[in-house]
Parts: sequence; C-alpha cells; structure tokens
Amino acid sequence: AQTVTQSQPEMSVQEAETVTLSCTYDTSESDYYLFWYKQPPSRQMILVIRQEAYKQQNATENRFSVNFQKAAKSFSLKISDSQLGDAAMYFCAYRSMEYGNKLVFGAGTILRVKS
Amino acid sequence: DVKVTQSSRYLVKRTGEKVFLECVQDMDHENMFWYRQDPGLGLRLIYFSYDVKMKEKGDIPEGYSVSREKKERFSLILESASTNQTSMYLCASSTLAGSHRGTDTQYFGPGTRLTVL
Repeated sequence: AQTVTQSQPEMSVQEAETVTLSCTYDTSESDYYLFWYKQPPSRQMILVIRQEAYKQQNATENRFSVNFQKAAKSFSLKISDSQLGDAAMYFCAYRSMEYGNKLVFGAGTILRVKS
Repeated sequence: DVKVTQSSRYLVKRTGEKVFLECVQDMDHENMFWYRQDPGLGLRLIYFSYDVKMKEKGDIPEGYSVSREKKERFSLILESASTNQTSMYLCASSTLAGSHRGTDTQYFGPGTRLTVL
C-alpha cells in the first residue's frame, strides 16, 4: 500500500518570503498523480497543484510550484512571495492510476504566515 | 464552479445514536467519497462510490455504512455512534478517471465536525 509522509507538522514564513513544504511517498507503481491541497481555517479544502508522474517538468500555478523528484519519491511545494491568505493546513496526496480515484493523504503541515 | 455541500457543519450526538451525514454535489460526478480527518493522521478514506447503489470500502470502514440512491447524494451512516467516532468528516466528489469531461480532481465539501458524547 502506498504511504505519504509530511515530516513538518508546522512551518512559519514571513510575509513576502519563500517557504518549502516537504512530502515523501512510498509506492511501487511507475505511474501516478500527486497533489497538494490547502485547507484554510474553517474553510473548504481546495486543490493547489497537481503533478502527473510521467511528466518530468515540474508543475507550477502562479506563486506555487513543486519540486518533483521521482527517483527519490519526493514532492515538495514551494510558495513564493507568501501572503497572509496562504496560512492554512497543507496536505500532500497520492493517487494511483491503477484503480479508482482514491487519494492517500499525508498528515498535513500547518503553515503560519507572519506579517 | 463545483459545489459539494454537507448537511451540517457541527453535530453533537450521544453514544449509541444512529447518525446520518449527508453530502450533495451538483456537478454530475460519478465518484463520491467520505473521509475522516484527525489531527496527525491526515484524511483517511472511509467509503467511496463510483456509481449509484455502488459502494466500496476504504481504509477504515468499521463502524460505518453508506448509501447512494441518487447520483448527486452520498450518505454516511454511523449505526451506533461511539466516542471514538468524534472527528471531522469530509465528503468529496470527482469525475471518473480518464473522463473526457475534465480532470478527475476531487472537490471537497466544507466538512461536518461530529462530537459524540
């Protein structure tokens, strides 16, 4: 079974600076999807960014980018020019290609943004 | 925009009560999911459904059941609530993998925080 590990329970960043959230995963599959989801306090979980494992190019969405290292099974999220609205719980998730759309989540990282 | 709604944001029940959590999506999605979220554990899949009247167990189905009588509605049932079922429950929906209608991203509801006393 696949597992996802987020080793940083909490992170802090100064407004306008850059922060990187770590995620590693364990799988024997060669093709899969990886996701970062954001859950603001008392608000709905939303997708931040997704990466297909067969794509070598790292995904980017505005200020959010990933560093996908397939051989190392690492999938970190970089947030540039951090804003107060980035404060949230961030979850890394894995989805197998083999069956269904089931997601396996990490434990989450709380990101605090200081003004 | 995709909209996933859940019947209650907060719910307080007594041990032994039967509890129904309702989830409705308005995007004609085939897949629907129920997760529970606990600190330090992330989200864990309880049950999912890929079609009406179809259901499959997730990673932690014990103590739960589900019902999907209509495509847009997916209910989670706690037959006899226990204190260890106190948690945040999240519903999600998505299209089928490989669907021509777009990506299979999961869209989440706002969550129901259930407390069992």
